[in-house]
Amino acid sequence: NAGVMQNPRHLVRRRGQEARLRCSPMKGHSHVYWYRQLPEEGLKFMVYLQKENIIDESGMPKERFSAEFPKEGPSILRIQQVVRGDSAAYFCASSRVGTNNEQFFGPGTRLTVL
Amino acid sequence: GQSLEQPSEVTAVEGAIVQINCTYQTSGFYGLSWYQQHDGGAPTFLSYNGLDGLEETGRFSSFLSRSDSYGYLLLQELQMKDSASYFCAVGGNAGKSTFGDGTTLTVKP
Repeated sequence: NAGVMQNPRHLVRRRGQEARLRCSPMKGHSHVYWYRQLPEEGLKFMVYLQKENIIDESGMPKERFSAEFPKEGPSILRIQQVVRGDSAAYFCASSRVGTNNEQFFGPGTRLTVL
Repeated sequence: GQSLEQPSEVTAVEGAIVQINCTYQTSGFYGLSWYQQHDGGAPTFLSYNGLDGLEETGRFSSFLSRSDSYGYLLLQELQMKDSASYFCAVGGNAGKSTFGDGTTLTVKP
């Protein structure tokens, strides 16, 4: 049973470009969470999605950031017009149900904005 | 809102026991979890406490006191490979979890 998959593992963008981060949850998991982590800091919640629904996006910046989890395919975190401050590791996690117990994390995408 | 406090750094020697504390303030509480993260890696789940008391999993144990809004992670028989960051996380409404800033554990020979 494959774990949570994220791609790309590393992404370099110039200021003003768009970044698309993909997350495929574990088989049988229908709940996806996105977190951002700056160096030497903790994980900051961004958004919680179920298939075709955004459950909680209270951690998402109001502008430039969006997320989706379509019926088919991976969850996508999209960052438009990236700025240097967007440089971070973005982790995706999944769970079988909306749980506060165990979340399974992917390897993360390291975004660098030049 | 929710906030968590845990020490930023802890140092211990191989074979020792170390306790990492976590205090929290939350408007809704659905359990306390602990995760381990090695430098550059993905966080991995260690334990969960939904009710008061001690949960033991091998060399790792976790404790929760809901009345004190407090928990801890206990690591026994420390090994060099235990050097990592450890995060406590509080579960909130509808599956959202809030993570602490992490404790960096350094295990020395």
